[in-house]
Amino acid sequence: QLQLQESGPGLVKPSETLSLTCSVSGDSISSRNYYWGWIRQPPGKGLEYIGSMYVSGSTYDNPSLKSRVTISLDTSKNQFSLKLSSVTDADTAIYYCASDFWSGYSRIESWGQGTLVTVSS
Amino acid sequence: DIQMTQSPSSLYASVGDRVIITCRASQSITRYLNWYQQKPGKAPNLLIYGASTLQSGVPSRFSGSGSGTDFTLTITSLQPEDFATYYCQQSFAALRTFGQGTKVEIK
Repeated sequence: QLQLQESGPGLVKPSETLSLTCSVSGDSISSRNYYWGWIRQPPGKGLEYIGSMYVSGSTYDNPSLKSRVTISLDTSKNQFSLKLSSVTDADTAIYYCASDFWSGYSRIESWGQGTLVTVSS
Repeated sequence: DIQMTQSPSSLYASVGDRVIITCRASQSITRYLNWYQQKPGKAPNLLIYGASTLQSGVPSRFSGSGSGTDFTLTITSLQPEDFATYYCQQSFAALRTFGQGTKVEIK
């Protein structure tokens, strides 16, 4: 079973860049079975898919985030990362990393525990 | 983007009740529909994928049905641990989208 764990600052200033890392154990992020993705949830609200990346370099980003998203893989560390630029208070949320099992009927089988990121000066 | 609409947004039910949650997609997603359960302070947990396949370890009182644009999640004989928020999600398009959630509360 895959295990994922987010890490990164819990507080980011407006206009700066949010940076999070997800450490993966139980499989390699070079596996061709998964897209590695990020999902967020503003406090008390629903889930929003931010984007994901495949080992080949293919990425899918939510256009609502207006090209502020960069997702990258570090195969040497078995980690993947999220950068979200020019943050505002609307980006305050719990950020989850997740494995999107991309075979047959794709589904998110494994999630990190989530990390709260607050945007505030 | 494919829009996912769940109903109801919340419901009150008692232990032992049968609960039905519906999810509608803005276009056909064939059977690329997943259901997740989320409890307060926890990450979502996959219940059903491919509209009707039960994820390993999920109790058989959970079931899913539907295809195209209309789907349902049914919980037969609601248990105390089932009070939670439920989300549908489409995996037909590369940009995954979720329903807004249905909160199942104790009557």
